[in-house]
Amino acid sequence: GNSVTQMEGPVTLSEEAFLTINCTYTATGYPSLFWYVQYPGEGLQLLLKATKADDKGSNKGFEATYRKETTSFHLEKGSVQVSDSAVYFCALAAGNFNKFYFGSGTKLNVKP
Amino acid sequence: EAQVTQNPRYLITVTGKKLTVTCSQNMNHEYMSWYRQDPGLGLRQIYYSMNVEVTDKGDVPEGYKVSRKEKRNFPLILESPSPNQTSLYFCASSQSVAGTYEQYFGPGTRLTVT
Repeated sequence: GNSVTQMEGPVTLSEEAFLTINCTYTATGYPSLFWYVQYPGEGLQLLLKATKADDKGSNKGFEATYRKETTSFHLEKGSVQVSDSAVYFCALAAGNFNKFYFGSGTKLNVKP
Repeated sequence: EAQVTQNPRYLITVTGKKLTVTCSQNMNHEYMSWYRQDPGLGLRQIYYSMNVEVTDKGDVPEGYKVSRKEKRNFPLILESPSPNQTSLYFCASSQSVAGTYEQYFGPGTRLTVT
């Protein structure tokens, strides 16, 4: 079946630190992979995506590379800001109508 | 502005009292979904709809109903709510973009059933 596993949080970093949030997946076929971000009190927003192996998604300084050989899609940012504090969800879309499967979310706290 | 709206944003109700959470999108998307978000479990799909009058169960459909009479609206109905349906609910809509579906989420409805 299809599933997503991401590292548990919370992750607490100081401003300007390097961020990695691990995400691995299990899927049949060739899924598309996504990172969504949820700010407090809001819905999920698409952060970045990758649709095939070796694609790199990027947005707002965040990056993730679709690694088929390791079934991973780790989220990275070189220098986090306080405004990046949020919950981050890894997701895959597969099958008919690209059904979405979400990880459990990782809360990021960035301290000044 | 392209958006998905949900109402109400917050709701406290009692066991057994029927309720409806509305969802509307203005992007002419064919595909719509309902999810519930619970701590440590991420988002789990309740129901989805591929188009008007076409709906199907997601992963956790028990205790919920939906309808899709118009393309823009996809209400979630709890006929007899129970405390285990206390959760944060999100509606989402999506359309294919170069073969990939991107989901757009509403702001969420926090439901408490006592």
